[in-house]
Amino acid sequence: NAGVMQNPRHLVRRRGQEARLRCSPMKGHSHVYWYRQLPEEGLKFMVYLQKENIIDESGMPKERFSAEFPKEGPSILRIQQVVRGDSAAYFCASSPLAQKMNTEAFFGQGTRLTVV
Amino acid sequence: DQQVKQNSPSLSVQEGRISILNCDYTNSMFDYFLWYKKYPAEGPTFLISISSIKDKNEDGRFTVFLNKSAKHLSLHIVPSQPGDSAVYFCAASEGGNMLTFGGGTRLMVKP
Repeated sequence: NAGVMQNPRHLVRRRGQEARLRCSPMKGHSHVYWYRQLPEEGLKFMVYLQKENIIDESGMPKERFSAEFPKEGPSILRIQQVVRGDSAAYFCASSPLAQKMNTEAFFGQGTRLTVV
Repeated sequence: DQQVKQNSPSLSVQEGRISILNCDYTNSMFDYFLWYKKYPAEGPTFLISISSIKDKNEDGRFTVFLNKSAKHLSLHIVPSQPGDSAVYFCAASEGGNMLTFGGGTRLMVKP
């Protein structure tokens, strides 16, 4: 029973390139949450998705960032035209049901994005 | 406006003694509080939680205390072990849809 899988673990992009971060939730989980951790800070909520639906994107920057969770395949967090300030660790969490982020969610190991 | 704050960025404790990590919050609508432990280059791992209807929850060496009137919670680890050295995050939830995290406290347990 694999946990939440994120890939790649490390990603280096030049300024202006696109970054794609993938998250495969735990088996049986249909709810995915993305968080970002800037250096020396706590995790900040970005977006909450259910299969084929964005439920809450209140933490997503208005431009360049998008997320999807298709019917088949992993959830993707996409950052277009990356800038140095996007350098951070991006964590994904999954849960089996709605409104269970507080009791039944598990985090992946994260993707560390470095923009050079 | 930080809704969840951990005012101590680091804490150093001798092995065998008690570690007390503190967390303050401002949003009175939070109904669930959690502590996560995080090692470098890994994701946060759930440690212990408490519902807002309780004031204490205990699990082995870990106890979380909640003081709703002061909007304060604390994590007690006793006895502390070197393997407890990590960054500890306090988090709060309103309705279970997302977590609001504090900035973390780095705990170092010295042998």
